[in-house]
Amino acid sequence: QVQLQESGPGLVKPSQTLSLTCTVSGGSISGGNYYWSWIRQPAGKGLEWIGRIYTSGSTNYNPSLKSRVTMSVDTSKNQFSLKLSSVTAADTAVYYCARQGHDCSGTNCYYWFDPWGQGTLVTVSS
Amino acid sequence: DIQMTQSPPSLSASVGDRVTITCRASQSISTYLNWYQQKPGKAPKVLIYAASSLQSGVPSRFSGSGSGTDFTLTISSLQPADFATYYCQHCYGTPPWTFGQGTKVEIK
Repeated sequence: QVQLQESGPGLVKPSQTLSLTCTVSGGSISGGNYYWSWIRQPAGKGLEWIGRIYTSGSTNYNPSLKSRVTMSVDTSKNQFSLKLSSVTAADTAVYYCARQGHDCSGTNCYYWFDPWGQGTLVTVSS
Repeated sequence: DIQMTQSPPSLSASVGDRVTITCRASQSISTYLNWYQQKPGKAPKVLIYAASSLQSGVPSRFSGSGSGTDFTLTISSLQPADFATYYCQHCYGTPPWTFGQGTKVEIK
């Protein structure tokens, strides 16, 4: 059973770069043709998809964050990572990593997020 | 971006009640719609994908329906474990994938 675990600093200063890593256990990050995503949730608010990465390194980012986001993958460590630059208080949130499950028939693919990591709170404050 | 609008934002219900939550997309998304359940302090958990397919291990009291722009999540007989916040999310076309704002199901 695949499990995901986020790690990284819980406190980041404004204007600095937020860096998080998601470690995948119970299976290979390279197996199964999965995308791997980051999603965040400010306290008491809804969910925002940040972006996704394939094990080839191919990425898709949310246009609202694209100028500040970089994702990478390290298959040797079974990890993928998120960097968000020039953070402000508005970036304070619980950050989740998740696998993007899929069900494809021909060219039609349905995607969903499962499983998720437990989430890690990142606070942007001086 | 495709906007997802859920209603109601919250509801109060009793154990055993039939509960219905709706989700509307700002444009047609066929059946590219997922439903998640989130309990306080926990990560969301997928319940339904492709609008009506029940994720493995999810109780059969949960069901999803709809296509195009209008979708429904139904809990046929609400159980104590079902008090949570529910989110819809589309996976139509190219990213970004967007979520609804959530519906909180509370105990009456």
